[in-house]
Amino acid sequence: QVQLQESGPGLVKPSETLSLTCTVSGGSISSYYWSWIRQPAGKGLEWIGRIYTSGSTNYNPSLKSRVTMSVDTSKNQFSLKLSSVTAADTAVYYCARDLTVSRFFPLLWGQGTTVTVSS
Amino acid sequence: EIVLTQSPATLSLSPGERATLSCRASQSVSSYLAWYQQKPGQAPRLLIYDASNRATGIPARFSGSGSGTDFTLTISSLEPEDFAVYYCQQRGTFGPGTKVDIK
Repeated sequence: QVQLQESGPGLVKPSETLSLTCTVSGGSISSYYWSWIRQPAGKGLEWIGRIYTSGSTNYNPSLKSRVTMSVDTSKNQFSLKLSSVTAADTAVYYCARDLTVSRFFPLLWGQGTTVTVSS
Repeated sequence: EIVLTQSPATLSLSPGERATLSCRASQSVSSYLAWYQQKPGQAPRLLIYDASNRATGIPARFSGSGSGTDFTLTISSLEPEDFAVYYCQQRGTFGPGTKVDIK
């Protein structure tokens, strides 16, 4: 079955860029939307954005100026870059796949990776 | 931008009881709404999509209803593993969550 796995540094310094990659295994990355969602400790879920396998993106308006997503279909991976991070960006970051191309409901989720912003 | 409001914030119930969770949207979303369950240390799990369709493998005790701006997630008889936080979601917006804990 399809599985997602986040990877990247667990510690990022303030003002620097957070970079994460999600590797998709057990199936093709093609023809789906792939999202990044985060959750600060003890708080709710925040959708960051999503990317289609063509490279088309949708971003959360509140983060849009700092977010860049990309996809590498040859590696079955997609990535997140969040620039100018602050302590408020400390969270568990999840990658996820939508139910279908027309149903914006994240169905498959990675286990999550904790990113701490601190000097 | 659509805002989702969930109530109550916390629901204290005993196993075997019925749970009724509410999600209200700031404007009509038709039936385009989902519900998720999240347990500590785990990723969320999709329970219901399109307001009333159970995702694959979700037990029949979970049901969703509603359209427009008012939605309900019902757990007909709480099992021990159902005590968790539940979120509603509409596209890029999640509600703040309802915690269902043991009374």
